[in-house]
Amino acid sequence: DSGVTQTPKHLITATGQRVTLRCSPRSGDLSVYWYQQSLDQGLQFLIQYYNGEERAKGNILERFSAQQFPDLHSELNLSSLELGDSALYFCASSAGSHTGELFFGEGSRLTVL
Amino acid sequence: KNQVEQSPQSLIILEGKNCTLQCNYTVSPFSNLRWYKQDTGRGPVSLTIMTFSENTKSNGRYTATLDADTKQSSLHITASQLSDSASYICVVITPNDYKLSFGAGTTVTVRA
Repeated sequence: DSGVTQTPKHLITATGQRVTLRCSPRSGDLSVYWYQQSLDQGLQFLIQYYNGEERAKGNILERFSAQQFPDLHSELNLSSLELGDSALYFCASSAGSHTGELFFGEGSRLTVL
Repeated sequence: KNQVEQSPQSLIILEGKNCTLQCNYTVSPFSNLRWYKQDTGRGPVSLTIMTFSENTKSNGRYTATLDADTKQSSLHITASQLSDSASYICVVITPNDYKLSFGAGTTVTVRA
């Protein structure tokens, strides 16, 4: 158990809809990272938050947004969903802002029909 | 083109045998190189972390090597077990922006 909690574990929705994925980092970790992993693809970095502030942005679509709350949990919002958005979405956390040891959650599997 | 290339894409080995996975990277300079193990449908778990000055690091039956001159790393699995069946991901971190570059992974299947 990495200590990183992601909900929901599975989510099925239709095209055009909006979903929210939630992540609780390990106790004491200030950084949260979001990654997308499509079928048979590598992990793609989406965005990083550190202590409530956006720290780095990767290949995140404009239809996607994220935030980190004062209690350090984070949410990834995916809107106007397309079939190609079907993927595993992983959250990871680390203690500092500079990508120390990363601990990954178990992921949220999103299926868009 | 991905800055981190892994080979082979997949391999099958018999239980008890050894295998070696390769990682070639073009990221330069880099801060550290990591190997992660990802079971199917699960989150990646860190196996080893090496700085550019380290040549080898072990974690049980897993041994990672690094040649910063040739920009190559390998992960050696000794006496494989069925539980070693997973995807192994090579990750390179750059020092200034601490960006992580992920390889596509090597899928290892261990058969009895």
